[in-house]
Amino acid sequence: QVQLQESGPGLVKPSETLSLTCTVSGDSISTNYWSWIRQPAGKGLEWIGRIYSSGSSIYNPSLKSRVTMSVDTSKNQFSLKVRSMTAADTAVYYCATDIGGYSSKFESWGQGTLVTVSS
Amino acid sequence: QSVLTQPPSASGTPGQRVTISCSGSSSNIGSNYVYWYQQLPGTAPKLLIYSNSQRPSGVPDRFSGSKAGTSASLAISGLRSEDEADYYCAAWDDSLSGLIVFGGGTQLTVL
Repeated sequence: QVQLQESGPGLVKPSETLSLTCTVSGDSISTNYWSWIRQPAGKGLEWIGRIYSSGSSIYNPSLKSRVTMSVDTSKNQFSLKVRSMTAADTAVYYCATDIGGYSSKFESWGQGTLVTVSS
Repeated sequence: QSVLTQPPSASGTPGQRVTISCSGSSSNIGSNYVYWYQQLPGTAPKLLIYSNSQRPSGVPDRFSGSKAGTSASLAISGLRSEDEADYYCAAWDDSLSGLIVFGGGTQLTVL
């Protein structure tokens, strides 16, 4: 069974860049799509974007100008960068398996990592 | 403001049947599959229903999903205390270059 684990800083200063990594075990990152989803405290879920093992990606238009995703097949990891962070980006960030296409099927999720934007 | 509209709250007593609605448009629910997620307090969401009405292995058949036009519903029969959670619907949206949209979530209380 695939397992995912997010890692990265819990605190980011305003205007800085957030870098998160999701480590995948139990499956090869080369055979799937992968997504990032976030959830501000007490609020709903927001899809950030999706990446395939080839590196092709699609982002939520609301975040597209600030987001970059990448894949490291040698480490079985994929990553998220969000530039120009503000307080509005404070949230729990989840990585999840995805199946691509016109699907919203996230079968396995990481436990989530809380990112706080504060000086 | 979420693209998909859900009631913020729902409630029922043990054993009851509860339904949660999810309303969208022709660019999302109207033309793509709907997915439902259950989020217990302090945990990551869990896939509950996929492709409108399919249950992943391990999800009790008390949970069922349906879709009609631009709306979808999640029904929970034989309500149990452990069903108390937040429920989210999701769908692909064909607008712009395409994106996944979620409902705002429904907090289910078992009275």
